[in-house]
Amino acid sequence: AQSVTQPDIHITVSEGASLELRCNYSYGATPYLFWYVQSPGQGLQLLLKYFSGDTLVQGIKGFEAEFKRSQSSFNLRKPSVHWSDAAEYFCAVGANSGNTPLVFGKGTRLSVIA
Amino acid sequence: GAVVSQHPSRVICKSGTSVKIECRSLDFQATTMFWYRQFPKKSLMLMATSNEGSKATYEQGVEKDKFLINHASLTLSTLTVTSAHPEDSSFYICSYSTGTYEQYFGPGTRLTVT
Repeated sequence: AQSVTQPDIHITVSEGASLELRCNYSYGATPYLFWYVQSPGQGLQLLLKYFSGDTLVQGIKGFEAEFKRSQSSFNLRKPSVHWSDAAEYFCAVGANSGNTPLVFGKGTRLSVIA
Repeated sequence: GAVVSQHPSRVICKSGTSVKIECRSLDFQATTMFWYRQFPKKSLMLMATSNEGSKATYEQGVEKDKFLINHASLTLSTLTVTSAHPEDSSFYICSYSTGTYEQYFGPGTRLTVT
């Protein structure tokens, strides 16, 4: 069974600074990987996804993530954080079947300070 | 991308009453939908998988008699919380898979049981 670990529960970053959120997964086959963002009281918004091909994927809002098979990681990055990026970020892994649910990490809460 | 709606977005009910939450896929006929529950500042916990025309499959520890799921059509799945109690207060999110390893999430329903 697949699993996801997000080691950082809470990260605080200054506005304009770079950001990296860590995600490690466990899955026996080629994983399908996702990053979602959730603002307080809101649903999930897909930031980006990796299915295959180029291991560096670009997403919305200036985010990118890099799939590293050797490290079983899919870290999310942004070169310059904006105050509006403050939210909860979830990494998720999917199995190689379209009708199986995603497995989510516990999330990382991002705070942005001036 | 695919669109999913949930209704209501917020509901407050008294202890002992039942509440129905609707999840609709607006532009896709979904044979499989998923129901998640999210406690405050926690990750998403899969409750059940809803299959059109058949009984839902519940995750271990989820009471199927308390959380009734009906997937009566390819565009509508409902979750009914029966005899709700304060501990059922939570954020409930539905999603469906398009069969391409992606899931599309509804905006969520905030249930408060008083």
